[in-house]
Amino acid sequence: DAKTTQPPSMDCAEGRAANLPCNHSTISGNEYVYWYRQIHSQGPQYIIHGLKNNETNEMASLIITEDRKSSTLILPHATLRDTAVYYCIVRVPSGGSGNTGKLIFGQGTTLQVKP
Amino acid sequence: DGGITQSPKYLFRKEGQNVTLSCEQNLNHDAMYWYRQDPGQGLRLIYYSQIVNDFQKGDIAEGYSVSREKKESFPLTVTSAQKNPTAFYLCASSIAGIYNEQFFGPGTRLTVL
Repeated sequence: DAKTTQPPSMDCAEGRAANLPCNHSTISGNEYVYWYRQIHSQGPQYIIHGLKNNETNEMASLIITEDRKSSTLILPHATLRDTAVYYCIVRVPSGGSGNTGKLIFGQGTTLQVKP
Repeated sequence: DGGITQSPKYLFRKEGQNVTLSCEQNLNHDAMYWYRQDPGQGLRLIYYSQIVNDFQKGDIAEGYSVSREKKESFPLTVTSAQKNPTAFYLCASSIAGIYNEQFFGPGTRLTVL
């Protein structure tokens, strides 16, 4: 079962910031939070990941609460091409016996960016 | 261009036939993965391989088989033993090690007629 909870859908106006929340209240101390997105009928695309500090890259920012029980993915200026399903994933560490590095996907949040 | 390729994009098979899905990567990644996605659902892990000539079952391996004879290639065979094979199949790869992000191919949509 997925270890995260996300709203099933959200709308955002083009050019505005999209804030996608994620709850992961059972996260362990060594588990990272990963975000991927999937545009219809394509493979998922990595966006960003973090442990406990806020992170920013060219695609998005990730804000993780101090208790690490929730996080928010921010797309600062959403475009129509950002319409996709966004997955928040708590990453099972890879390496070592029995660890696969697998990604446990929930159902994600469908973000619809509207003109 | 570096990346992961999957072929074919669409595949149709008759019930009872085996079919092999191709996955090739030129990213020099050690680890490769196969996932299955059903409509409106997230991805589920079928098989994974951390190194050449070695692979392990994921969460839903029954009815599937894989091989990893080359670093670049990780083909998936959907056998007749798979009860509900119609799905979207995704291959991914990553650098070996903890917390490295996975890069996904474009996927193969398999339909059993």
